[in-house]
Amino acid sequence: DAGITQSPRYKITETGRQVTLMCHQTWSHSYMFWYRQDLGHGLRLIYYSAAADITDKGEVPDGYVVSRSKTENFPLTLESATRSQTSVYFCASRDRNSGANVLTFGAGSRLTVL
Amino acid sequence: TQLLEQSPQFLSIQEGENLTVYCNSSSVFSSLQWYRQEPGEGPVLLVTVVTGGEVKKLKRLTFQFGDARKDSSLHITAAQPGDTGLYLCAGRGAIQGAQKLVFGQGTRLTINP
Repeated sequence: DAGITQSPRYKITETGRQVTLMCHQTWSHSYMFWYRQDLGHGLRLIYYSAAADITDKGEVPDGYVVSRSKTENFPLTLESATRSQTSVYFCASRDRNSGANVLTFGAGSRLTVL
Repeated sequence: TQLLEQSPQFLSIQEGENLTVYCNSSSVFSSLQWYRQEPGEGPVLLVTVVTGGEVKKLKRLTFQFGDARKDSSLHITAAQPGDTGLYLCAGRGAIQGAQKLVFGQGTRLTINP
């Protein structure tokens, strides 16, 4: 199906474990973004990518790693999960030619770190 | 760092009432967007305002961008239960970080039948 999909939708893990959240979009959008959403903080940008093999830090990048070997995929890895990384994570994409900077979001991945 | 402050953070009103949600900043934005988010879903764009003083209407929703492009408001007339959700404003930087959006913390709106 066309669109932007995230997996898994729900994940429970333990402190210190590695977790990877997947994001796949079918539009060949140039830009992809990872946000986390926490009560009282809204959406905060973790990392973004302007194209394959080009990534850059956002507002809260510490403890996260991203890669973009293919335009359609933008995985987010927590190398050693901490309780403070319990959150809902949203992936988004945007076409390079979208002058209005319109983001299309996935449905989110709810991560709980015990 | 550009920040957007939304108020109120929580609002619960009766069906048929009017309401206004505010999004304020000390920074200038080249454009400002409003998103609505339903439980278990990602935010969905409602509107983008670009010009200072611009007003856009979407049925019973009226969006305004401040003259100085530092603030915005969302007004809902005769609210309905279907308007319930989390409303987020997001600003695009006027100078640096033009490719990134800054989000407010959101206003959780509940419309009671």
